[in-house]
Amino acid sequence: EAGVTQFPSHSVIEKGQTVTLRCDPISGHDNLYWYRRVMGKEIKFLLHFVKESKQDESGMPNNRFLAERTGGTYSTLKVQPAELEDSGVYFCASSQDLVRLEQFFGPGTRLTVL
Amino acid sequence: AQRVTQPEKLLSVFKGAPVELKCNYSYSGSPELFWYVQYSRQRLQLLLRHISRESIKGFTADLNKGETSFHLKKPFAQEEDSAMYYCALSGKAAGNKLTFGGGTRVLVKP
Repeated sequence: EAGVTQFPSHSVIEKGQTVTLRCDPISGHDNLYWYRRVMGKEIKFLLHFVKESKQDESGMPNNRFLAERTGGTYSTLKVQPAELEDSGVYFCASSQDLVRLEQFFGPGTRLTVL
Repeated sequence: AQRVTQPEKLLSVFKGAPVELKCNYSYSGSPELFWYVQYSRQRLQLLLRHISRESIKGFTADLNKGETSFHLKKPFAQEEDSAMYYCALSGKAAGNKLTFGGGTRVLVKP
């Protein structure tokens, strides 16, 4: 079974540009999470989808970040406009339901904003 | 607020020596505690969780609610245990989002 996939694996953009990250969860997993790790800091929660609905977006840093999950399948995370402090690794994870708590992580997208 | 603290950023041990990674947490309610591991050039993966009470790859971790700790232990470290280890906490009250510690890099020397 394919695991969680993320695209792209790396992205280098200039400050002020827009970047869209994509996550494809494990098929059948209703729960999808976004996390990020910025340099020298711990991995932090960004938001949680249950199917296509945003369950918790308390970790989104500001309104430059927009996440969507079309039809409850894949999810995108758009950063517009990107700032230097957005550089880091963005992880996506999915889980089957809230009883089986294990979250399966994707490989991450490394974002560098110059 | 929920918080996870891993005081050691780096642990360096020799092969065959015991290794213990410390993790302390704060959480209002009944937490679920996990250890995740990231080997070189691999994705983050679950190592073990406290409710399973099992040993994975020789590692064990006991939840101590009195000391709010969930330390990870292995009696005889192997070179393949070299990796980044993250302690994490979640709970139903928080929608099962994970709160991670800062991570501990383990280096097992031959």
